[in-house]
Amino acid sequence: LAKTTQPISMDSYEGQEVNITCSHNNIATNDYITWYQQFPSQGPRFIIQGYKTKVTNEVASLFIPADRKSSTLSLPRVSLSDTAVYYCLVGDVNDYKLSFGAGTTVTVRA
Amino acid sequence: DTAVSQTPKYLVTQMGNDKSIKCEQNLGHDTMYWYKQDSKKFLKIMFSYNNKELIINETVPNRFSPKSPDKAHLNLHINSLELGDSAVYFCASRAGQGNYEQYFGPGTRLTVT
Repeated sequence: LAKTTQPISMDSYEGQEVNITCSHNNIATNDYITWYQQFPSQGPRFIIQGYKTKVTNEVASLFIPADRKSSTLSLPRVSLSDTAVYYCLVGDVNDYKLSFGAGTTVTVRA
Repeated sequence: DTAVSQTPKYLVTQMGNDKSIKCEQNLGHDTMYWYKQDSKKFLKIMFSYNNKELIINETVPNRFSPKSPDKAHLNLHINSLELGDSAVYFCASRAGQGNYEQYFGPGTRLTVT
């Protein structure tokens, strides 16, 4: 399993864009990049997944450079309700084990 | 309808007791997991079952025993509880190989005194 490194915490203000970068230098050819969001007192929730270039959905965008050794989750115009822990996972879709790291705690202030 | 449910939500017990946490998913998924999340928010996989068969068993004390009576249920039994077992335990399910998205339950906060 590829090891991932993310910042421990990030602070932002309402209306700003938040970008969280995850490093995964030993990502394998078959690995995909997946992000989860966890609100306090809840289980993690799948946000977005990608293999290369850019993926966008109603919640976030995921940018993956050509070498795939890192990825950036972008949260546009955050609100207070986006305060959560964000986890970056890297793994083969055929693996049963997808390991979560410590995540990035994003705090959005008014 | 709740996709992945766990009971109980809170569990307070004394050292040495035996307790169980139940998990059910109504998504028709083949794979289910148990995770432990400590106070530092690190989410660690404990077990995984696929079609009722154990496929992942991480380095977990043998006081922890998962049981999957059918594909929709994965229960966790813990014997001789210790203070260090205090954590939030999450159950999750996944459609299976070829699908990354895991659906998590609301968690069970276990406090051992």
